[in-house]
Amino acid sequence: GAGVSQSPRYKVAKRGQDVALRCDPISGHVSLFWYQQALGQGPEFLTYFQNEAQLDKSGLPSDRFFAERPEGSVSTLKIQRTQQEDSAVYLCASSLVDRNYGYTFGSGTRLTVV
Amino acid sequence: GIQVEQSPPDLILQEGANSTLRCNFSDSVNNLQWFHQNPWGQLINLFYIPSGTKQNGRLSATTVATERYSLLYISSSQTTDSGVYFCAVTPRGTSGSRLTFGEGTQLTVNP
Repeated sequence: GAGVSQSPRYKVAKRGQDVALRCDPISGHVSLFWYQQALGQGPEFLTYFQNEAQLDKSGLPSDRFFAERPEGSVSTLKIQRTQQEDSAVYLCASSLVDRNYGYTFGSGTRLTVV
Repeated sequence: GIQVEQSPPDLILQEGANSTLRCNFSDSVNNLQWFHQNPWGQLINLFYIPSGTKQNGRLSATTVATERYSLLYISSSQTTDSGVYFCAVTPRGTSGSRLTFGEGTQLTVNP
């Protein structure tokens, strides 16, 4: 597609519920990144894929967070047993090569845990 | 980890005014980018500028890597320039591609 597509745009989850957030990167983009942005703050790195390989997951805040990109294109970020502190905007970005200039970000998924 | 400080935190301008946003970072970097986040939350890459000067229309940026700062200049500001401007860096010697973002500068341009 023309840009990075994320769905859903908004998600309200009850505390304890599992959620799955989807990212469709630009076709052919090798690198894919997930970031978490709390209200009023800058994005914080969660994890990075090069094709289907998850090369860096050091930013995932707990073992409740899991990301996958099984065929090297679409990626899913899963959060198990959601908690209120998980409320944030989750941003996905992709880039053409294994370099982090030239990121294209999606519009994000705003997750609210109630 | 590396610290990224942006100033000012908030800036209010009248349309047509010029402004300078600053980004200080605490360690050597091999990647520095400026982003604009519009009021709808979309992050747009403005510049990849680990060193030197670049210009794109009314925007320009300069990074002085040896002194660990970068400046973003906005000339003849327009209401559509409103939003949050982020500086983001990758420390030199870091394997992988993670960016560390600053807290941002909230810019409001009034008509």
